[in-house]
Order: sequence, then C-alpha cells, then structure tokens
Amino acid sequence: NAGVTQTPKFRVLKTGQSMTLLCAQDMNHEYMYWYRQDPGMGLRLIHYSVGEGTTAKGEVPDGYNVSRLKKQNFLLGLESAAPSQTSVYFCASTRRNTEAFFGQGTRLTVV
Amino acid sequence: GQQVMQIPQYQHVQEGEDFTTYCNSSTTLSNIQWYKQRPGGHPVFLIQLVKSGEVKKQKRLTFQFGEAKKNSSLHITATQTTDVGTYFCAGRGATNKLIFGTGTLLAVQP
Repeated sequence: NAGVTQTPKFRVLKTGQSMTLLCAQDMNHEYMYWYRQDPGMGLRLIHYSVGEGTTAKGEVPDGYNVSRLKKQNFLLGLESAAPSQTSVYFCASTRRNTEAFFGQGTRLTVV
Repeated sequence: GQQVMQIPQYQHVQEGEDFTTYCNSSTTLSNIQWYKQRPGGHPVFLIQLVKSGEVKKQKRLTFQFGEAKKNSSLHITATQTTDVGTYFCAGRGATNKLIFGTGTLLAVQP
C-alpha cells in the first residue's frame, strides 16, 4: 500500500537551477494537487489536475509548471529556482469530493 | 478567488482544557474537510462535512459546518498531549480546487 509517493524527499538547489519533483499515486485517483507549505501560511495550492492530460493553476502558480501525462503521475517543475521557492512541497491525490491522501513531502532549499 | 482563513493561528492550552479553531471561506463551499498534521509529518484526513448545519463527532472532536456553508469549526474537549499538531480546514468550491486554510497550531502542556 504505497499510496502517494514523492521523490526526492530532500534537495538543495542553487539559484537558477532547474528540477522536477515527482508525485506518484497507486489509488487510481482522478485529482492530484501540488501544495507548498511555509511557516504561518498554511498549505497553498500551486497547480492541480482533474484528470490525465489536464492541469490548472492554483493560488501561487508563478515560477512552476506541471504535467500529468499519466493518470498516476503528477510532475512539478521549477525552470529557474529562486530562494523564494525554498519550502516544503506536498503532493495530494483524491477522488471527486473525497478525502485527500498526501505524500511525505519534499523539503527544497534554494541557495 | 476562493480564500479560506482560520483563527487562531496558534493556541496553547493546559492538558484537559478545551480547544476550538474556526474556519471561514470567502465563497460558498460544496464541502469542507479537516486535517491534522503532526510536527514533521504530512496532513492526515479527519472528516468531511457536506450538508448545511451538519455536526459530526469523533470521540472528543466535534465538527460543525455553518448554515451558509461558508464557515466551520473544530472543537476538542479535554485536550490530551496526543492532540498536539496543526489543524487545517480545506474547502472545495465549484472548480474542484481544494483550498486549505492557514491552519491552527495547537500546543498542549501536560
């Protein structure tokens, strides 16, 4: 029972570098979400997807891109990392109008 | 756009005292969910409320959904040290976005 798996768990990037965070779920969920969590600001929605091949912007999409080529995977890309993107990133998946299952998180530091 | 606010941001209680966190949305919600996140962990689902005025209980936890489906509350009776963590509400509007509140960090002193 893997549930939602995020890779990597930790990463340090230099300003301007790029990287991709991978989220994989094995529950056949239609909806997937990427959030960032910063102290005192809760979980802010970056991008989300309501099905394979579809993506939509959330509350804080600038500086990020996403793709959902396969139903089980949701990728979050940073093309040119900035220190302001230092955060903990969580992926979640859900069926329509049901509970969300979260990955363990990715702690990203941009120096 | 849809915004979800929670108060208070932080609450410190003595073990045995009650605790309440409040959640307010700028728009009408189709449903509201509550999650708990332990320090260093990820959010874990507690409950979902769907109907206007709905009240649900889980042992010492009581959840309410407002009549207008724009606000909600979580009340914990007689807190225990195991209740420590951050409690989030999350609301779904018409677009299937799942927007989280800012969270309430609960500290319980033994």
